Amino acid sequence: DGGITQSPKYLFRKEGQNVTLSCEQNLNHDAMYWYRQDPGQGLRLIYYSQIVNDFQKGDIAEGYSVSREKKESFPLTVTSAQKNPTAFYLCASSQAGPGNQPQHFGDGTRLSIL
Amino acid sequence: GENVEQHPSTLSVQEGDSAVIKCTYSDSASNYFPWYKQELGKRPQLIIDIRSNVGEKKDQRIAVTLNKTAKHFSLHITETQPEDSAVYFCAASSEGTALIFGKGTTLSVSS
Repeated sequence: DGGITQSPKYLFRKEGQNVTLSCEQNLNHDAMYWYRQDPGQGLRLIYYSQIVNDFQKGDIAEGYSVSREKKESFPLTVTSAQKNPTAFYLCASSQAGPGNQPQHFGDGTRLSIL
Repeated sequence: GENVEQHPSTLSVQEGDSAVIKCTYSDSASNYFPWYKQELGKRPQLIIDIRSNVGEKKDQRIAVTLNKTAKHFSLHITETQPEDSAVYFCAASSEGTALIFGKGTTLSVSS
């Protein structure tokens, strides 16, 4: 959906470095989500946010942090504490949530270690 | 918490055949079950969803069935075409909980 924009498309991280993945939506959705996708693992939830200034940990939040200062933006920081960050990261949003709502995804960011 | 199991992990069919992908869930409170299709290198896209007050839903060549008693739901694709080749994910959620996804099924349709 053109309404969710993730950037950059590719990102490289050095040892000990924090990197931030951007996610912006213009769908006026209240809820936003971050997923990590590894081959054969499906989509695993990192964090989600129901409203501005509120967010909840998902199943694999360790080594990640988020903020939700604006309704349209939900950036994800991969910290140096995340020892295996190489993965495909997907941002999603839903009109309300979580739960019981269709989610719309961005095109993803592929993160690799240098 | 919710756990979603998806089978098979890979499925190969001939063009024109039907394909069936099955998912089971653990949380009896789950009441929303979407299916997503992800083509190589692209974003997952919602193809069909079903809520717990309905047993079956159809959209052209795609149908989803839900058995709440057995806690499983299935995706049925009829008259498969090469462009149906992709990874398909099922998911489940209840009110106030985020979607939990299965691990995906890679469908290959050969002509």
